[in-house]
Amino acid sequence: DAKTTQPNSMESNEEEPVHLPCNHSTISGTDYIHWYRQLPSQGPEYVIHGLTSNVNNRMASLAIAEDRKSSTLILHRATLRDAAVYYCILRDNYGQNFVFGPGTRLSVLP
Amino acid sequence: NAGVTQTPKFRVLKTGQSMTLLCAQDMNHEYMYWYRQDPGMGLRLIHYSVGEGTTAKGEVPDGYNVSRLKKQNFLLGLESAAPSQTSVYFCASSYGTAGNQPQHFGDGTRLSIL
Repeated sequence: DAKTTQPNSMESNEEEPVHLPCNHSTISGTDYIHWYRQLPSQGPEYVIHGLTSNVNNRMASLAIAEDRKSSTLILHRATLRDAAVYYCILRDNYGQNFVFGPGTRLSVLP
Repeated sequence: NAGVTQTPKFRVLKTGQSMTLLCAQDMNHEYMYWYRQDPGMGLRLIHYSVGEGTTAKGEVPDGYNVSRLKKQNFLLGLESAAPSQTSVYFCASSYGTAGNQPQHFGDGTRLSIL
C-alpha cells in the first residue's frame, strides 16, 4: 500500500469546522482513500472512504484533490467527542490489511 | 448488534505464561485480523484469516499463534509470554478485502507482561 503523510497534531475550537489534510503523492489508480479515527481507549472506527469523487456521510465529508495526491477530511462542526487520532489510509483491492501510520491527533477546545 | 467483541479487556501475565485472546464477530464476515498497537504508534498486523479454517502471517507474527475453527471466532495465542509482547491488541473483521471494504474493530485487549 502507498504511504500517506499527515500532520502530527491539530487543534480546533468546538462547533467550528475542522479540515484534516492527508498527502498521498504515490497513490495508484486503484487505491481507495480511507479515514478512521481512534477515540481514547477504543479501537479504530471507520469514518469514510472514497476513490475519486468527494463523499459525504453522517460523520464527515471527504474532499479528494483532482490529481488524487491529497485529500481532506472535513468535520463540519467539531464537538468535544471528536477529539481523537485520525488516520488516513490507502487501500487497494489486493491488500490484506490496513497500514496505520501515526495519524493526526485532533484536540477540540471548548 | 455487538459488532466485534474482544475478551478479556485487560490482563496481566508473568513472563513465560501462556494465554488466549478471543475475538468474536456477529456480522458474518469472512475476514478477520489481529493487530497490536504500541504506545504512540499505529497498528501492526500480527495474523489474519480469510475464512474458517484458514490463517496467514502478517507483519509481526513471531511469538503468536492463531486459530479460526468457527467463522465468527478468531483466537490469538501467546505460548510463552515475553515483556516485548506488552501491548494493546485489536481484532478486526471485514466482509471482503476489496479496496472499498472497511474493517470493523473491537475495543482492544490491554496486555501487560511482567
